[in-house]
Amino acid sequence: QSALTQPPSASGSPGQSVTISCTGTSSDVGGYDYVSWYQQHPGKAPKVIIYEITKRPSGVPDRFSGSKSGNTASLTVSGLQAEDEADYYCSSYAGRSKYVFGTGTKVTVL
Amino acid sequence: QVQLKESGPGLVRPSGTLSLTCAVSGDSVSRDNWWSWVRQPPGKGLEWIGEVYPDGRTNYKPSLQSRVTMSIDKSKNQFSLDLHSVTAADTALYYCARNHVGLSFDPWGQGTLVTVSS
Repeated sequence: QSALTQPPSASGSPGQSVTISCTGTSSDVGGYDYVSWYQQHPGKAPKVIIYEITKRPSGVPDRFSGSKSGNTASLTVSGLQAEDEADYYCSSYAGRSKYVFGTGTKVTVL
Repeated sequence: QVQLKESGPGLVRPSGTLSLTCAVSGDSVSRDNWWSWVRQPPGKGLEWIGEVYPDGRTNYKPSLQSRVTMSIDKSKNQFSLDLHSVTAADTALYYCARNHVGLSFDPWGQGTLVTVSS
C-alpha cells in the first residue's frame, strides 16, 4: 500500500486561501468516505481537523474544509492565519490494508 | 479529557525488539474501540503500524505484519507495541492514538523517539 500523494509545500498570504490535494486510488481515497486530515505543528503530535471527508471536530475553525472527487481529496484553509503554518497530512481507510497516510504538505503563511 | 502517553526505551540495538507501552487516562481500553500505533521517521511522514481491540484482535500494516505484535492490558488501562528484528529504518517518533469517529485518530500521545543503533 503506497502513501497517498500530497504536494510537498503550499503557501499563501494572511487572509488568502490555500488548497492541498491528496491523491490515492480506488482502493483507498476513491473507495471509501473515510478521509481525515491532520495538522501537525513542529514538535507536536498530529491533531485531527477533518474526518469523513468534510466533517470538523468540535473546536476546529470553519476556515478548514474538506472535499473529495474521485481518487483525490482536498483540504482548503480559508482566511489563512499565522497559526495555520504547519504540516498537514491526509489519511484514508484502505480496506484490507486498513489505513494509509499522505506524504505530507508544509503550509507556509507568507 | 482523554490523554495517551507512550513510554519505553529510547535506544534499541539492531536486530533487537522495540517495546513500547501507551498509558490511557480519561477513557477505558476495555471500551468498544480500536487503539493504534503510528510512527514518523525524523523529518518524514506518518506511517500507520497497526491497531488492537479490547478482545485482543489485531490488524497490522501488511509490510510490517511479520515483525509486529500488539497487545492490550485492561487491568492497567494500557496497550503495547513490540517490533521485532529492528534496523536503522525503524528509527522514528512512535505515537499511540485512539481510533475515533469516522475512522480518524484522536487523540494522539505526545510521541516517543526510538533510535535503533549499536
